[in-house]
Amino acid sequence: DAMVIQNPRYQVTQFGKPVTLSCSQTLNHNVMYWYQQKSSQAPKLLFHYYDKDFNNEADTPDNFQSRRPNTSFCFLDIRSPGLGDAAMYLCATSTDRVNEQFFGPGTRLTVL
Amino acid sequence: AQKVTQAQTEISVVEKEDVTLDCVYETRDTTYYLFWYKQPPSGELVFLIRRNSFDEQNEISGRYSWNFQKSTSSFNFTITASQVVDSAVYFCALSEALWNRDDKIIFGKGTRLHILP
Repeated sequence: DAMVIQNPRYQVTQFGKPVTLSCSQTLNHNVMYWYQQKSSQAPKLLFHYYDKDFNNEADTPDNFQSRRPNTSFCFLDIRSPGLGDAAMYLCATSTDRVNEQFFGPGTRLTVL
Repeated sequence: AQKVTQAQTEISVVEKEDVTLDCVYETRDTTYYLFWYKQPPSGELVFLIRRNSFDEQNEISGRYSWNFQKSTSSFNFTITASQVVDSAVYFCALSEALWNRDDKIIFGKGTRLHILP
């Protein structure tokens, strides 16, 4: 089945230790998104790729970076995680930015 | 700036009752898109419906129905004859058409729905 896969599902890191979260898709969608969702809150868009074109939200901290080496994969790098970065990170894809998004199961990040 | 308000933080109903989840939005755009997503306890958001601002026709899909009213800037979601499997957090979202500003897509804070057996 076509889907959005996120690895790992659970990630524990130490304060300040870089961490990379990965997302892959078999849907061949043009757009890939990264969201941060804290407990009992709405998902918040961090950035998205339209094909190779990277688009950052203005309030996304510089600590967060992303890479999309090919259509299928997208990575979220957190260079120096702080305690406030503990959250669920959701990857999503869509055929176009105004179309429905297909979400992965998320990676829950814990920062010790 | 765009805004989505889901005033109902949490709702509990008994199975087989009907329930309506409210969504009120604000936007300065004339072209925009509205969505509903379901987030069950497993955590994965599931797309339910997409509406563009020019299509005010109400939609029914099985037990689910949506009422879009531009006059009141509302896009409400009704579940008829609710079932325990409907228990989840439901998010309403608003997307601008051009994606050339900040707040390209805004999610409401969600309504946690409990269906009691």
